[in-house]
Amino acid sequence: GAVVSQHPSRVICKSGTSVKIECRSLDFQATTMFWYRQFPKQSLMLMATSNEGSKATYEQGVEKDKFLINHASLTLSTLTVTSAHPEDSSFYICSARADRVIYGYTFGSGTRLTVV
Amino acid sequence: TQLLEQSPQFLSIQEGENLTVYCNSSSVFSSLQWYRQEPGEGPVLLVTVVTGGEVKKLKRLTFQFGDARKDSSLHITAAQPGDTGLYLCAGARTGTASKLTFGTGTRLQVTL
Repeated sequence: GAVVSQHPSRVICKSGTSVKIECRSLDFQATTMFWYRQFPKQSLMLMATSNEGSKATYEQGVEKDKFLINHASLTLSTLTVTSAHPEDSSFYICSARADRVIYGYTFGSGTRLTVV
Repeated sequence: TQLLEQSPQFLSIQEGENLTVYCNSSSVFSSLQWYRQEPGEGPVLLVTVVTGGEVKKLKRLTFQFGDARKDSSLHITAAQPGDTGLYLCAGARTGTASKLTFGTGTRLQVTL
């Protein structure tokens, strides 16, 4: 099956620092990847669509300068949370769509970010 | 604005009971998926439905897509503790660059 690897699984950082989260498609190429955030006991909210070789498309209300997305290759997208604050603490999840998984999206295992 | 509303939000049942989770919207979706998510993990795809009125079965799970492709249901027969988790429906609308919109989620707890 299609596998998406997300790293790190959890990270604790100090307020004001930046954190980078990686999302890799291991056995397929993904021209498009998606980044979500999930608060405790809530559903997933789409933050942005990451497009290989071009700028990411951000959802309304998501600050593009705070959540930097880079999709430099067909197998890697990164999300950098810049100048993190406690309110950025959340569960961040990426997903990608493999052509051979019809209508299906494969999700990474998520990154638990805690900003102290 | 949450386009997909799920009900109930939380369900606690005993092993062996049956249950149904609903996913409703006023929008039409080209496809709709159901996922299960466990704590600290990403969602795992259970099924995709694409045709109005379609019914799919996955062992004890039965999924139905509404005729108008605006709603869906998930029925679990003889629930087991291993079914415990967060169930999420997600829809893709035509012309939205393959973006998925997730439902509000239903947290299921199955006890012995």
